[in-house]
Amino acid sequence: EAQVTQNPRYLITVTGKKLTVTCSQNMNHEYMSWYRQDPGLGLRQIYYSMNVEVTDKGDVPEGYKVSRKEKRNFPLILESPSPNQTSLYFCASSSYRDGNYGYTFGSGTRLTVV
Amino acid sequence: QQQVKQSPQSLIVQKGGISIINCAYENTAFDYFPWYQQFPGKGPALLIAIRPDVSEKKEGRFTISFNKSAKQFSLHIMDSQPGDSATYFCAASKGSNYQLIWGAGTKLIIKP
Repeated sequence: EAQVTQNPRYLITVTGKKLTVTCSQNMNHEYMSWYRQDPGLGLRQIYYSMNVEVTDKGDVPEGYKVSRKEKRNFPLILESPSPNQTSLYFCASSSYRDGNYGYTFGSGTRLTVV
Repeated sequence: QQQVKQSPQSLIVQKGGISIINCAYENTAFDYFPWYQQFPGKGPALLIAIRPDVSEKKEGRFTISFNKSAKQFSLHIMDSQPGDSATYFCAASKGSNYQLIWGAGTKLIIKP
């Protein structure tokens, strides 16, 4: 089944404790991206990657890091999480086919930083 | 110029009615306009998309209407059902660019 897999689904952590949220896709998509979703603010892009070893900042990159060493994986790293990073996070991947850039999203990671 | 403005923020429609969500954009270079549907606890999923060479696209009960001169596009859900209750996002992009500019989302509730 074509999918984007995020782990973990839920995470509670303490301020300053480094964490990684993993994202993996099995569709050989070139493009991958991380979003955070907060009530009333919609989807805000954190980082994106056009291909292996190519990453770029989105709208809200502060406090986050990413890497794209393999095409299928795009982990999100919070080196020193803070309470304002409490949010619902989504990973997405996309490929251009038949004139469309259909994004496939993961099921989300709900992160709470206390 | 990069924004996509979506309205309303929330919408309540009776079962069987027509749900209408509107989006407006400024950048005339945008040439791809998708709508995404998100159920609680799930990631958004592509619902329907349109390019500016057509004024309307229909897939089942879902229709996108596109007005190039007004720089607006809208989603119409005919015969709305409780199962359509979800958050809907419009978006736009330009050229062969994967980057989507997202609207803020509309929470739709269909009352039985």
